[in-house]
Amino acid sequence: DIQMTQSPSSLSASVGDRVTITCRASQTIDTYLNWYQQRPGKAPELLIYAASSLHTGVPSRFSGSGSGTDFTLTISSLQPEDFATYYCQQNYNPPITFGQGTRLDIK
Amino acid sequence: QEQLVQSGAEVQRPGASVKVSCKTSGFTFTGYFIHWVRQAPGQGLEWMGWINLNSGHTTYAQTFKGRVTLTRDTSMNTAFMELSNLQSDDTAMYYCARESRGRLDPWGQGTLVTVSS
Repeated sequence: DIQMTQSPSSLSASVGDRVTITCRASQTIDTYLNWYQQRPGKAPELLIYAASSLHTGVPSRFSGSGSGTDFTLTISSLQPEDFATYYCQQNYNPPITFGQGTRLDIK
Repeated sequence: QEQLVQSGAEVQRPGASVKVSCKTSGFTFTGYFIHWVRQAPGQGLEWMGWINLNSGHTTYAQTFKGRVTLTRDTSMNTAFMELSNLQSDDTAMYYCARESRGRLDPWGQGTLVTVSS
């Protein structure tokens, strides 16, 4: 199975900050990488697909980049509703696998 | 509006089985896959398996092979996940999610399964 490793596991930041979360795959996955946001008590929601494509309705302050084994999710200017947990997920090879999550808290 | 609505919370005894439903609406049922993902309290996301809603073909994560069964009813536009021989560490939120071109979207609201004697 392909292992997905996110860093950091948790992060404290302030409204207006620029934040970057990284995700590393244990083998190359081209751009078969998605990002999800999960707010407390809610189901995950798709943010970014194919490493860099913004899902419909997702604010443009979110962006994704990377290919191969190294990927990043960037939030350009944090808003209060962005404090949540973020997961990367690969769909290059079954079984699909998720990163362990990055919890983003208010500083 | 594309939507997945799951059945309500369950409390089961150790050794029992649970069957969770995922009713879909707003899209052509047989055109997609449904994945099932679980999340233990305070933990991350764990993929359980998927079902091709057209053919009924299934693929299961090795962790759950032999204990999980995914089915669908095309007349009801509903997918089902049954997990048998429940243990306390199966206590979790269970989600269904539609797959389109490798992306999981949308997700159901989740079904909390509690295993307790």
